Amino acid sequence: DAKTTQPTSMDCAEGRAANLPCNHSTISGNEYVYWYRQIHSQGPQYIIHGLKNNETNEMASLIITEDRKSSTLILPHATLRDTAVYYCIVMTGFQKLVFGTGTRLLVSP
Amino acid sequence: ETGVTQTPRHLVMGMTNKKSLKCEQHLGHNAMYWYKQSAKKPLELMFVYSLEERVENNSVPSRFSPECPNSSHLFLHLHTLQPEDSALYLCASSQVKGLHEQYFGPGTRLTVT
Repeated sequence: DAKTTQPTSMDCAEGRAANLPCNHSTISGNEYVYWYRQIHSQGPQYIIHGLKNNETNEMASLIITEDRKSSTLILPHATLRDTAVYYCIVMTGFQKLVFGTGTRLLVSP
Repeated sequence: ETGVTQTPRHLVMGMTNKKSLKCEQHLGHNAMYWYKQSAKKPLELMFVYSLEERVENNSVPSRFSPECPNSSHLFLHLHTLQPEDSALYLCASSQVKGLHEQYFGPGTRLTVT
């Protein structure tokens, strides 16, 4: 699997956009970028994934750079319930889902 | 609600006990997974079932015994556990094996005394 690098922690004010970066400089052409999050004491939650193009769903947007070496998960209007650990995972379609240490996002009033 | 339920949510057991964890998915998925999450460690994949057949066992000790009687139910039978087995045990499902859009249950917090 390609390695990913994420900041250990980030803060965001409620109502503002949360932009969570992920570096994956060794990503190969057939590897996808997946994002999950884990709210305290709950199971991980799938957020979004993409290959080359930017993606948007009801939860978030995923911006992947043209060279695919980095990506940003955007929560457009963060709420207190978005406080969680966010995991950026890079893999091909049938590799194991491997969670790293992620970014701890704290959304404050 | 993710469509994946786990019971019990909390379990305390002695090292000589036998207990079982239950997982049920209401999503019509064909693959189910057991993960272990120890304190301050990343999630570890334990077992993978596809269409009720075990397709992956990641060197898990035999004191953990999975069972998948049908595509909606998954069990993890526990016996003679060790204190270091205390962890959050998470069940997940996906439409097919290997699909990384996995839906997780809330987990069972296990404490071995």
